[in-house]
Amino acid sequence: EAGVVQSPRYKIIEKKQPVAFWCNPISGHNTLYWYLQNLGQGPELLIRYENEEAVDDSQLPKDRFSAERLKGVDSTLKIQPAELGDSAVYLCASSRSQGSYNEQFFGPGTRLTVL
Amino acid sequence: AQSVAQPEDQVNVAEGNPLTVKCTYSVSGNPYLFWYVQYPNRGLQFLLKYITGDNLVKGSYGFEAEFNKSQTSFHLKKPSALVSDSALYFCAVREGARDDKIIFGKGTRLHILP
Repeated sequence: EAGVVQSPRYKIIEKKQPVAFWCNPISGHNTLYWYLQNLGQGPELLIRYENEEAVDDSQLPKDRFSAERLKGVDSTLKIQPAELGDSAVYLCASSRSQGSYNEQFFGPGTRLTVL
Repeated sequence: AQSVAQPEDQVNVAEGNPLTVKCTYSVSGNPYLFWYVQYPNRGLQFLLKYITGDNLVKGSYGFEAEFNKSQTSFHLKKPSALVSDSALYFCAVREGARDDKIIFGKGTRLHILP
């Protein structure tokens, strides 16, 4: 089966510009996650979707970050405006259901550099 | 709240020797524990998990991990290391059946020396 697809793989922007990341999860996976990974750190959850519903967005900086998963399949994460500190890798992951025993499948990530 | 610790930033092992990557956790209920591996410029790949049952869990690429409840540990092991095992390894925990949020450790970089 195809894995989690993310695009773009790399993005370089100037601060205060907007940026968007796209994720297509594995077919049939109802749960979708967006993570932030800083250099030398583990992934940190930004938002989790069950189908089209955002069930955990407590770690999402809502003043500049937004996300959507309109049809319960692919998802977009947006930053507007970007700040220097947003430079990181943004990972998307999916799993079969919200069962907490299910492993997650990760995409390759989008490496964002804010200048 | 749950937490996970990987006490070693880096582990160096000679090829052919056994390897251990350490992980300890803290949860108030029963833990669900996971190990993931990350190769350069790639996303995390699932290696193995402990949910319940046998304390010794076998996973991909010859890796295994031992759940030790009294020591709250879930160390990753492999009997004979390969150079291709060099990567970044993440331990993760979620509190089973209560909260679906998974917490990742900061990672341990494994170097297998030829």
